[in-house]
Amino acid sequence: AQRVTQPEKLLSVFKGAPVELKCNYSYSGSPELFWYVQYSRQRLQLLLRHISRESIKGFTADLNKGETSFHLKKPFAQEEDSAMYYCALRSGNTGKLIFGQGTTLQVKP
Amino acid sequence: DTEVTQTPKHLVMGMTNKKSLKCEQHMGHRAMYWYKQKAKKPPELMFVYSYEKLSINESVPSRFSPECPNSSLLNLHLHALQPEDSALYLCASSQPRQGLKTQYFGPGTRLLVL
Repeated sequence: AQRVTQPEKLLSVFKGAPVELKCNYSYSGSPELFWYVQYSRQRLQLLLRHISRESIKGFTADLNKGETSFHLKKPFAQEEDSAMYYCALRSGNTGKLIFGQGTTLQVKP
Repeated sequence: DTEVTQTPKHLVMGMTNKKSLKCEQHMGHRAMYWYKQKAKKPPELMFVYSYEKLSINESVPSRFSPECPNSSLLNLHLHALQPEDSALYLCASSQPRQGLKTQYFGPGTRLLVL
């Protein structure tokens, strides 16, 4: 079964602290994984995709096939990072995105 | 133009009304999607169009009727909806080709069914 699991509903950290939002997946084949972010009252935006191996807004994510994980990390959280973060898996050739349940990141001053 | 636009932003309708949601993109994407998102939940796929043809219908009730009149436009026709259909309806687009399927989302239409 294809599934994305984000175990934390809420992650609360202080400004300047490191952040790790967890994402585990279940997929038979080569996965394509994404992180999307949804700031309050804004559209869902692509943050990262694993094939690009890029760093956006200080966030990085590494695909670990052995652990079937794609955790999102940032060394120093900022208050403007507060948002809902969704990990998503693209299924096969259909383009269908399977989303995790999302993690709300709250960065306190 | 690098955005997906959706109209209207908000819509209130009765259970006997007929209304339509509209989505537009001018990025040359040939795959378009409708998602439904309830509060504090992830988006749930409803329909996928690829090259203007319906390729996925995720067992959506027939009171939702999608239409893709051309490669830039996607409509969702609504009829006889139920209060539980109240949600944020998101449109997305992407290239359908392998490796280029990053989906870009519109801001959504917030629908309230009374």
